Amino acid sequence: EIVLTQSPGTLSLSPGERATLSCRASQSVSSSCLAWYQQKPGQAPRLLIFGASSRASGIPDRFSGSGSGTDFTLTISRLEPEDFAMYYCQQCVGSPPIFTFGPGTKVDIK
Amino acid sequence: QLQLQESGPGLVKPSETLSLTCTVSGGSITSNTYYWGWVRQPPGKGLEWIGSIYYDGSTYYNPSLKSRVNISVDTSKNQFSLKLNSVTAADTAVYFCASRTWIQLWLDYWGQGTLVIVSS
Repeated sequence: EIVLTQSPGTLSLSPGERATLSCRASQSVSSSCLAWYQQKPGQAPRLLIFGASSRASGIPDRFSGSGSGTDFTLTISRLEPEDFAMYYCQQCVGSPPIFTFGPGTKVDIK
Repeated sequence: QLQLQESGPGLVKPSETLSLTCTVSGGSITSNTYYWGWVRQPPGKGLEWIGSIYYDGSTYYNPSLKSRVNISVDTSKNQFSLKLNSVTAADTAVYFCASRTWIQLWLDYWGQGTLVIVSS
Protein backbone atom coordinates (compact mmCIF):
# COMPACT_ATOMS: atom_id res chain seq x y z
CA GLU A 1 0.00 0.00 0.00
CA ILE A 2 1.34 3.40 -0.98
CA VAL A 3 1.02 6.00 1.76
CA LEU A 4 1.03 9.72 1.01
CA THR A 5 2.45 12.21 3.48
CA GLN A 6 1.82 15.93 3.11
CA SER A 7 3.85 18.66 4.72
CA PRO A 8 3.57 20.96 6.42
CA GLY A 9 0.31 20.17 8.15
CA THR A 10 -0.46 23.87 8.32
CA LEU A 11 1.10 26.71 6.39
CA SER A 12 0.50 30.21 7.74
CA LEU A 13 1.16 32.86 5.14
CA SER A 14 0.04 36.32 4.11
CA PRO A 15 -1.71 37.25 0.86
CA GLY A 16 0.83 37.83 -1.86
CA GLU A 17 3.30 35.32 -0.44
CA ARG A 18 4.42 32.11 -2.13
CA ALA A 19 3.12 28.77 -0.84
CA THR A 20 5.01 25.54 -1.33
CA LEU A 21 3.19 22.34 -0.39
CA SER A 22 4.83 18.93 -0.39
CA CYS A 23 3.37 15.49 -1.07
CA ARG A 24 5.64 12.52 -0.50
CA ALA A 25 4.80 8.91 -1.38
CA SER A 26 6.11 5.84 0.42
CA GLN A 27 6.87 4.26 -2.98
CA SER A 28 7.32 5.64 -6.45
CA VAL A 29 4.07 6.89 -7.98
CA SER A 30 3.27 7.36 -11.63
CA SER A 31 3.08 11.08 -12.38
CA SER A 32 -0.03 10.43 -14.45
CA CYS A 33 -1.74 9.39 -11.21
CA LEU A 34 -0.80 12.39 -9.10
CA ALA A 35 -3.42 15.06 -8.60
CA TRP A 36 -4.01 17.99 -6.28
CA TYR A 37 -7.34 19.22 -4.94
CA GLN A 38 -8.41 22.33 -3.10
CA GLN A 39 -11.20 22.15 -0.54
CA LYS A 40 -12.89 25.00 1.27
CA PRO A 41 -15.09 24.51 4.35
CA GLY A 42 -18.47 23.04 3.49
CA GLN A 43 -17.52 22.45 -0.13
CA ALA A 44 -16.50 19.52 -2.26
CA PRO A 45 -12.89 19.18 -3.32
CA ARG A 46 -11.99 20.93 -6.56
CA LEU A 47 -9.45 19.50 -8.95
CA LEU A 48 -6.48 21.84 -9.36
CA ILE A 49 -3.67 19.79 -10.90
CA PHE A 50 -3.63 16.44 -12.69
CA GLY A 51 -0.80 14.41 -14.08
CA ALA A 52 1.44 16.05 -11.45
CA SER A 53 1.82 19.29 -13.43
CA SER A 54 -1.20 20.04 -15.63
CA ARG A 55 -3.69 22.63 -14.49
CA ALA A 56 -7.36 21.71 -14.60
CA SER A 57 -9.76 23.81 -16.58
CA GLY A 58 -10.30 27.27 -15.12
CA ILE A 59 -7.46 27.05 -12.61
CA PRO A 60 -5.38 30.26 -12.44
CA ASP A 61 -1.76 30.04 -13.54
CA ARG A 62 -0.52 31.00 -10.08
CA PHE A 63 -1.08 27.31 -9.27
CA SER A 64 1.60 24.95 -10.50
CA GLY A 65 2.57 21.36 -9.83
CA SER A 66 5.86 19.58 -10.17
CA GLY A 67 7.72 16.47 -9.13
CA SER A 68 8.11 12.82 -9.94
CA GLY A 69 8.76 9.50 -8.29
CA THR A 70 8.07 9.96 -4.61
CA ASP A 71 8.23 13.75 -4.26
CA PHE A 72 5.65 16.16 -5.59
CA THR A 73 5.05 19.84 -4.98
CA LEU A 74 2.14 22.22 -5.36
CA THR A 75 3.18 25.85 -5.59
CA ILE A 76 0.94 28.89 -5.34
CA SER A 77 3.06 31.74 -6.62
CA ARG A 78 1.19 34.60 -4.96
CA LEU A 79 -1.57 33.81 -2.53
CA GLU A 80 -4.92 35.41 -3.16
CA PRO A 81 -7.51 35.66 -0.37
CA GLU A 82 -9.56 32.87 -1.97
CA ASP A 83 -6.59 30.46 -1.88
CA PHE A 84 -6.70 29.96 1.88
CA ALA A 85 -8.05 26.43 2.09
CA MET A 86 -7.13 22.76 2.52
CA TYR A 87 -5.08 21.05 -0.17
CA TYR A 88 -4.97 17.31 -0.77
CA CYS A 89 -2.77 15.25 -3.03
CA GLN A 90 -4.06 12.02 -4.57
CA GLN A 91 -2.38 9.05 -6.13
CA CYS A 92 -3.64 5.87 -7.72
CA VAL A 93 -2.41 2.35 -8.18
CA GLY A 94 -3.54 -0.60 -10.24
CA SER A 95 -5.93 -1.02 -13.11
CA PRO A 96 -8.64 -0.10 -12.60
CA PRO A 97 -7.08 2.35 -10.21
CA ILE A 98 -7.50 2.42 -6.46
CA PHE A 99 -7.23 6.00 -5.20
CA THR A 100 -5.69 7.27 -2.00
CA PHE A 101 -5.39 10.79 -0.67
CA GLY A 102 -2.82 12.49 1.49
CA PRO A 103 -3.84 13.89 4.89
CA GLY A 104 -3.90 17.43 3.58
CA THR A 105 -2.16 20.76 4.14
CA LYS A 106 -4.10 23.70 5.49
CA VAL A 107 -3.07 27.07 4.14
CA ASP A 108 -4.30 29.72 6.50
CA ILE A 109 -3.90 33.45 6.86
CA LYS A 110 -1.02 34.61 8.99
CA GLN B 1 -21.04 19.57 -17.97
CA LEU B 2 -21.74 16.77 -15.56
CA GLN B 3 -23.57 17.58 -12.35
CA LEU B 4 -23.88 15.19 -9.43
CA GLN B 5 -26.26 15.39 -6.49
CA GLU B 6 -26.30 13.12 -3.46
CA SER B 7 -29.44 12.19 -1.54
CA GLY B 8 -30.34 9.89 1.29
CA PRO B 9 -30.94 9.64 5.03
CA GLY B 10 -28.80 11.84 7.23
CA LEU B 11 -29.05 9.51 10.21
CA VAL B 12 -28.42 5.77 10.32
CA LYS B 13 -28.44 3.46 13.33
CA PRO B 14 -25.37 1.39 14.22
CA SER B 15 -25.29 -2.06 12.59
CA GLU B 16 -27.73 -0.95 9.88
CA THR B 17 -27.11 -0.20 6.21
CA LEU B 18 -26.23 3.24 4.92
CA SER B 19 -27.86 3.92 1.54
CA LEU B 20 -27.16 6.93 -0.64
CA THR B 21 -28.05 7.85 -4.19
CA CYS B 22 -26.30 10.12 -6.64
CA THR B 23 -28.36 11.66 -9.42
CA VAL B 24 -26.46 12.49 -12.58
CA SER B 25 -27.39 15.30 -14.94
CA GLY B 26 -25.60 16.53 -18.03
CA GLY B 27 -24.56 13.02 -18.98
CA SER B 28 -25.81 9.46 -19.21
CA ILE B 29 -25.12 6.91 -16.51
CA THR B 30 -24.84 4.32 -19.29
CA SER B 31 -22.12 6.22 -21.10
CA ASN B 32 -18.81 4.41 -21.44
CA THR B 33 -17.13 7.77 -20.86
CA TYR B 34 -17.31 7.87 -17.08
CA TYR B 35 -16.59 5.95 -13.94
CA TRP B 36 -19.02 6.74 -11.12
CA GLY B 37 -17.88 6.60 -7.53
CA TRP B 38 -17.97 7.64 -3.91
CA VAL B 39 -15.55 9.41 -1.55
CA ARG B 40 -16.13 10.12 2.11
CA GLN B 41 -14.74 12.54 4.66
CA PRO B 42 -15.21 12.12 8.42
CA PRO B 43 -15.80 15.43 10.20
CA GLY B 44 -12.56 17.37 10.43
CA LYS B 45 -10.58 14.65 8.67
CA GLY B 46 -9.26 13.79 5.24
CA LEU B 47 -10.69 12.14 2.16
CA GLU B 48 -11.19 8.40 1.69
CA TRP B 49 -12.06 6.85 -1.67
CA ILE B 50 -14.77 4.21 -1.30
CA GLY B 51 -15.16 2.72 -4.76
CA SER B 52 -16.36 3.11 -8.33
CA ILE B 53 -18.59 1.51 -10.95
CA TYR B 54 -18.38 1.54 -14.71
CA TYR B 55 -21.28 1.58 -17.15
CA ASP B 56 -20.91 -2.18 -17.70
CA GLY B 57 -21.54 -2.81 -14.00
CA SER B 58 -17.97 -3.62 -13.11
CA THR B 59 -17.07 -2.38 -9.67
CA TYR B 60 -13.93 -1.93 -7.67
CA TYR B 61 -13.62 -0.92 -4.08
CA ASN B 62 -11.24 0.34 -1.44
CA PRO B 63 -9.83 -2.88 0.06
CA SER B 64 -10.45 -1.53 3.56
CA LEU B 65 -14.20 -1.28 2.90
CA LYS B 66 -14.71 -3.97 0.27
CA SER B 67 -16.46 -6.46 2.54
CA ARG B 68 -19.19 -3.94 3.44
CA VAL B 69 -19.69 -1.91 0.25
CA ASN B 70 -21.87 -2.24 -2.78
CA ILE B 71 -22.16 0.32 -5.58
CA SER B 72 -24.83 -0.11 -8.23
CA VAL B 73 -26.41 1.76 -11.12
CA ASP B 74 -30.07 2.51 -11.85
CA THR B 75 -30.16 3.28 -15.56
CA SER B 76 -33.88 4.14 -15.55
CA LYS B 77 -33.27 7.03 -13.17
CA ASN B 78 -29.77 8.03 -14.32
CA GLN B 79 -28.53 7.38 -10.78
CA PHE B 80 -25.96 5.32 -8.99
CA SER B 81 -26.09 4.21 -5.40
CA LEU B 82 -23.93 3.34 -2.44
CA LYS B 83 -24.76 0.78 0.21
CA LEU B 84 -22.50 0.35 3.23
CA ASN B 85 -23.61 -2.28 5.69
CA SER B 86 -22.93 -2.91 9.35
CA VAL B 87 -22.15 0.74 10.00
CA THR B 88 -20.56 2.08 13.16
CA ALA B 89 -19.85 5.57 14.43
CA ALA B 90 -16.61 5.45 12.45
CA ASP B 91 -18.68 5.61 9.27
CA THR B 92 -20.02 9.04 10.20
CA ALA B 93 -18.85 11.29 7.38
CA VAL B 94 -19.73 13.58 4.54
CA TYR B 95 -20.25 11.33 1.53
CA PHE B 96 -19.44 12.73 -1.91
CA CYS B 97 -20.31 11.18 -5.20
CA ALA B 98 -17.54 11.79 -7.70
CA SER B 99 -16.79 10.78 -11.25
CA ARG B 100 -13.93 10.64 -13.65
CA THR B 101 -13.57 10.23 -17.36
CA TRP B 102 -12.64 6.60 -18.04
CA ILE B 103 -9.16 7.35 -19.31
CA GLN B 104 -8.31 9.84 -16.57
CA LEU B 105 -6.77 9.07 -13.22
CA TRP B 106 -8.29 11.86 -11.17
CA LEU B 107 -11.74 12.90 -10.01
CA ASP B 108 -12.99 15.92 -11.84
CA TYR B 109 -16.71 15.99 -11.06
CA TRP B 110 -18.02 16.07 -7.52
CA GLY B 111 -21.36 16.35 -5.83
CA GLN B 112 -21.76 18.82 -2.99
CA GLY B 113 -21.68 16.06 -0.37
CA THR B 114 -24.15 14.84 2.21
CA LEU B 115 -23.52 14.30 5.90
CA VAL B 116 -24.46 10.91 7.30
CA ILE B 117 -24.37 10.43 11.05
CA VAL B 118 -24.33 6.96 12.54
CA SER B 119 -26.01 7.09 15.91
CA SER B 120 -28.74 5.36 17.85
